[in-house]
Amino acid sequence: GAVVSQHPSRVICKSGTSVKIECRSLDFQATTMFWYRQFPKQSLMLMATSNEGSKATYEQGVEKDKFLINHASLTLSTLTVTSAHPEDSSFYICSARESGGGANVLTFGAGSRLTVL
Amino acid sequence: GEDVEQSLFLSVREGDSSVINCTYTDSSSTYLYWYKQEPGAGLQLLTYIFSNMDMKQDQRLTVLLNKKDKHLSLRIADTQTGDSAIYFCAESKAAGNKLTFGGGTRVLVKP
Repeated sequence: GAVVSQHPSRVICKSGTSVKIECRSLDFQATTMFWYRQFPKQSLMLMATSNEGSKATYEQGVEKDKFLINHASLTLSTLTVTSAHPEDSSFYICSARESGGGANVLTFGAGSRLTVL
Repeated sequence: GEDVEQSLFLSVREGDSSVINCTYTDSSSTYLYWYKQEPGAGLQLLTYIFSNMDMKQDQRLTVLLNKKDKHLSLRIADTQTGDSAIYFCAESKAAGNKLTFGGGTRVLVKP
């Protein structure tokens, strides 16, 4: 079946640094990927929709200059948290939709836990 | 706007059936999903149902959809300790489209 890989699975960084999280579709091409954020004991909130070859679409309240999304190929989307602060500590999960239509479901990655000190 | 709600917690004895309930507000929801999340892990798709279906069964899982009341349920038969996790319902307007999640129901299975 379809597999989505996220890397790194865990990252700890100092306040003020930038962190890049990768989301890869391993055995399929994904025109569209979605980035979610999950705070402890809370639900997943959609941050942005990543579109291959074009700008990402951000949800209301999500700072596009802080959360940079690049979807440069059909198998890779990256989320960069710029100038990270402790309040950015969270679990970031991506999901991918297989290109070509007919896919009824999204495949989720295992998530990346970011801790900002 | 879209709103998906679930109860927070469910405790069940091993071997019993679990029923997790979910309500949604958007009548244009086309696909409804159930995901399982174990501690520190991503989401595992359990099952999904299209809005023109009333029921879907897959081994120990049964999904019931009452479209009129906008109510979705997931029944897990013969619940096992490995079923302890957080269960999220979610909806989307189109196949493979972005999902709106409920708050999650934490299921604890006691031996």
